[in-house]
Formats: sequence, C-alpha cells, structure tokens
Amino acid sequence: AQKVTQAQTEISVVEKEDVTLDCVYETRDTTYYLFWYKQPPSGELVFLIRRNSFDEQNEISGRYSWNFQKSTSSFNFTITASQVVDSAVYFCALGEASQGAQKLVFGQGTRLTINP
Amino acid sequence: KAGVTQTPRYLIKTRGQQVTLSCSPISGHRSVSWYQQTPGQGLQFLFEYFSETQRNKGNFPGRFSGRQFSNSRSEMNVSTLELGDSALYLCASSPQGAYDFSSGQFFGPGTRLTVL
Repeated sequence: AQKVTQAQTEISVVEKEDVTLDCVYETRDTTYYLFWYKQPPSGELVFLIRRNSFDEQNEISGRYSWNFQKSTSSFNFTITASQVVDSAVYFCALGEASQGAQKLVFGQGTRLTINP
Repeated sequence: KAGVTQTPRYLIKTRGQQVTLSCSPISGHRSVSWYQQTPGQGLQFLFEYFSETQRNKGNFPGRFSGRQFSNSRSEMNVSTLELGDSALYLCASSPQGAYDFSSGQFFGPGTRLTVL
C-alpha cells in the first residue's frame, strides 16, 4: 500500500535560517506523482509543487527548492532564508491510482514555526 | 478563474443530526474529491466523483455519502453525526478524469464541522 512518512512533526527555527522538511514515500506503482502543500492557519491547502516519477530534476522556485531522489524514495523540501510568513503546516502527498480515481495519500504533516 | 468554494465554512451540529456540505469546483474541472482532516488521523480520503459517478471511496462508514451534479458541484452528507466526525472537511477539484495528476488537485478552504 502507498504510504507517506514525514518524520518531523514540528520544526522551529529562527528567521533567515534554512530549513529542510523530509518526506519519504512507499509505492509499488512505477508511475506516480508527489506533491507538497502548505496549510496556513486559515486551513486551506495551498499547492506548492507537483513532481512525476519520471522527472528527477530538482526544482527551485524562489526561496523554495525540492530534491527528488527515487533511489531513496524521498522528496525533500528546503526553504532558504526562512521568513515568518513561511510558518504553516506542510504536507507531502503521493498521487495514487485507484480504480481510475484521483486520490492523494498524505503524510502526517510537519508544523514549521519561524521565529522572528 | 475563481477557486474551489465550499459552503458553509463553519458548522455546529449535535450528535445524531445529519449535515450536508457543498463544494463548487474550479470552472471546467470535472473531478471532485473529499478529504477529512482531524488531529488524530490527519488527512484522509473520503471519496472522489467524476461526471456524477463515484469512482472510489475511502475507509469510512456508510454514514458518509456524497453525490455530484451535472455542473460538477458536489455535496457530501454525514448522517447520524458522532463526536468523532468533528473535523475539517476539504474538497479538491481537478480537471482530469483518468489517473492523471499532471494538472494537480486544488483545494478549497474547507468546512469546519463541530459536533457537540
């Protein structure tokens, strides 16, 4: 069965520090998608990035970067020069094919607190 | 384009009552998924609809049901509410029907249900 593990329950850093959120996944599918979402206190899940299993290129978007390594089944997320506005719960998710339906399997989330 | 909308945003019910939540997907999106988020269980898949058909359902009791209308709007219903049904219910929409996450899933702000 598909599974996503975010071992870090909570992380607290001081503003401007770099921080990496870990994500390890399990799947038997050869084609799958990985996602990161941000959930601020308002509750809405904000889409950050999507990666398919055939694209192992790392991606950088401003202060955000993602490292996808199939060899270790990991999809880690790094925030460089963190800011207070980055404080939120971050979820890693795996896109699972199930009877043709779109279904995301989420990790338990990492609560990130950036202190001024 | 307007995002995913969910109504109501907040709801308070008592045990034994039933509740109906509504989700309007992004215009043109035909797939609507529902997720339940609780502190203990995290984010869990409830069901997914495409073209008015439920294609998959998560591991939830039959008290949880849903439907999708011809305009892709979706409703979910929970009958005989229990205290444990208190949660944030999130709806996600996607344009694709088949297993194709290339366009991602986009979430609404959620409905926070409190059962007293």
